[in-house]
Amino acid sequence: AQSVAQPEDQVNVAEGNPLTVKCTYSVSGNPYLFWYVQYPNRGLQFLLKYITGDNLVKGSYGFEAEFNKSQTSFHLKKPSALVSDSALYFCAVRAPIYNQGGKLIFGQGTELSVKP
Amino acid sequence: DGGITQSPKYLFRKEGQNVTLSCEQNLNHDAMYWYRQDPGQGLRLIYYSQIVNDFQKGDIAEGYSVSREKKESFPLTVTSAQKNPTAFYLCASSTGSGYEQFFGPGTRLTVL
Repeated sequence: AQSVAQPEDQVNVAEGNPLTVKCTYSVSGNPYLFWYVQYPNRGLQFLLKYITGDNLVKGSYGFEAEFNKSQTSFHLKKPSALVSDSALYFCAVRAPIYNQGGKLIFGQGTELSVKP
Repeated sequence: DGGITQSPKYLFRKEGQNVTLSCEQNLNHDAMYWYRQDPGQGLRLIYYSQIVNDFQKGDIAEGYSVSREKKESFPLTVTSAQKNPTAFYLCASSTGSGYEQFFGPGTRLTVL
């Protein structure tokens, strides 16, 4: 069965420090992986995706993610956190096309808090 | 949120009433989706549509219905059969199944 795990409900970081939000996945075949961010009472905003190619993917707002096939992980990173990065972050994996049209399977979300 | 609109932003419903949530997109996307978000549970797929006049059930379709008569529109009806409808509802669209999805701003439904 396809699944996504975000092992940390909350991550606390000081402004200016690097941040990591963890994600592991389980999926049949080659994974299509995504990160989204959600601000309070808003929809999700797409940050970045991994389909194929370089294991280090760069996205919006200075975020990047590293795909690690052997560890089945896709951790989100940023070299220097901003207070404005505080939000809820979701990792998602695409299910195979035969499974509900390749729907996205989302993790539970990780609340990132960046303190000044 | 650009390109996808949801209305209303807040909706209150009495028990036993059906309500319809609107979702419109001007991105020319073929695929559209409805998700439900509850605290601590991530997003769960209710219904999706890959093409006009066709839609399929997601993981939690019971108590919900949809239609896809136009490419731009994918309204969701929350029926009285839905046991616990209070939640945040998100609509999304994509160029095709499996590509990144773009989300609307959401509708918060509260049953009184």
